[in-house]
Amino acid sequence: EPEVTQTPSHQVTQMGQEVILRCVPISNHLYFYWYRQILGQKVEFLVSFYNNEISEKSEIFDDQFSVERPDGSNFTLKIRSTKLEDSAMYFCASRAGTTSQVKSSPLHFGNGTRLTVT
Amino acid sequence: KQEVTQIPAALSVPEGENLVLNCSFTDSAIYNLQWFRQDPGKGLTSLLLIQSSQREQTSGRLNASLDKSSGRSTLYIAASQPGDSATYLCAVRGKDSGAGSYQLTFGKGTKLSVIP
Repeated sequence: EPEVTQTPSHQVTQMGQEVILRCVPISNHLYFYWYRQILGQKVEFLVSFYNNEISEKSEIFDDQFSVERPDGSNFTLKIRSTKLEDSAMYFCASRAGTTSQVKSSPLHFGNGTRLTVT
Repeated sequence: KQEVTQIPAALSVPEGENLVLNCSFTDSAIYNLQWFRQDPGKGLTSLLLIQSSQREQTSGRLNASLDKSSGRSTLYIAASQPGDSATYLCAVRGKDSGAGSYQLTFGKGTKLSVIP
């Protein structure tokens, strides 16, 4: 079964450094998402991306965050200047479907990248 | 603002037992509800998706029900096995979520342990 692939599985960085988290969504999917889960907390929505632009973002997704689909297969999340509180598991997700199927198709998540900011 | 609550936070059962996990949400204006499984340090595996117009969905030993008017969903696991041990998450997609957005609001999960 096709999978959402995320790399790296674990990244350690120093406060103030830039990080890029990478994702390869399922190949025929059209909608892409980033979620995060701070240890012991709920999974939280960050951003959704469709047709090469952000369609919605949460309050968490401030100017330090950006997303990009640089080619036909990759989807990246960049954190410009990391803070201690950015430490979390970051999940990429994708979803199939045209507008007519928008209510039907489930989200498929990757295994996540554990980001540790020291 | 949508809030999703899952009770209990943890559950331990002997192998072979049938069990029910509960999920409640505060705003009944939803498009759908999705149940996920999360293994330690791993991603989320989609188990069942129930559209707002549906009452239940089944997959193997799993059955999920939805009562939108009361803001409740249950996940029924029949004949539990040690391999079912994981955290089960409930998530709703509210109608304040745009067509391309698909913003899910998650509960904190129920950690299930099935004892051999």
